[in-house]
Amino acid sequence: GAGVSQSPSNKVTEKGKDVELRCDPISGHTALYWYRQSLGQGLEFLIYFQGNSAPDKSGLPSDRFSAERTGGSVSTLTIQRTQQEDSAVYLCASSRTSAETQYFGPGTRLLVL
Amino acid sequence: QQPVQSPQAVILREGEDAVINCSSSKALYSVHWYRQKHGEAPVFLMILLKGGEQKGHEKISASFNEKKQQSSLYLTASQLSYSGTYFCGTERKSGGYQKVTFGTGTKLQVIP
Repeated sequence: GAGVSQSPSNKVTEKGKDVELRCDPISGHTALYWYRQSLGQGLEFLIYFQGNSAPDKSGLPSDRFSAERTGGSVSTLTIQRTQQEDSAVYLCASSRTSAETQYFGPGTRLLVL
Repeated sequence: QQPVQSPQAVILREGEDAVINCSSSKALYSVHWYRQKHGEAPVFLMILLKGGEQKGHEKISASFNEKKQQSSLYLTASQLSYSGTYFCGTERKSGGYQKVTFGTGTKLQVIP
C-alpha cells in the first residue's frame, strides 16, 4: 500500500512569508508526528496527534508554528512569518498506535531566503 | 525528556563490531531503533518492549533493560551498508500521552 506522502518536496520562500506543509499519513494510522531536522542534526519533535485527542504541541518552537489534522487523516503544518532559522527538513511520520513502528514520509525541504 | 545516545559518532572498518547505547531518565514502555541514511528519511529497524527481550535483524540486534531504562544496539561484522545515523526512540507516558521521543542520533561510518 501507499506510504506516508508529503508535499511539497521542496519549498523556497522569502523571509516573512507564510508556508503550509502537508502530510498524508498511511490510511488507518491514528498517530501522526511532525519533526524538524536541521542539516546534520537529530529529529526535533514538533507536534503529535493521537486519534481524536487534543494534540501534544509541546515541541512547537514558537507561536508562529501551528498544525492541524482534519478528520483524523491529513495534517498541515503552518509556519507564519518565516525566518531563516526555520530552514530545515520537515518530516512527518505516522503509526497505527503510539507504540508501533513509525513510517516516515520523504520530508519537505524548506529554505527561507 | 530526550534520551541520551552514545557515542555521538563512530567510524568502523568493514567487519568490525559496534555498540550504540541509549538511556533515559524516565521509565519506558518500549524502545524503538531507526536508521537514517544521508538524504533519506529514517527507516525502522526494531522495537523492544518491556521484558528485557533481545531482538535481532540480520546482524543487527538490540537489548532493552527496563530497570536501567537503557537499550543497546549491537552491530556485528559491519558492512558498508550499515553507514548512517542511528536514532533510538523511547516511548513513555507524557502529559497523558504515550509518545516516542528520539535521541540526538549516533553517526556511524563504515569504511573499507
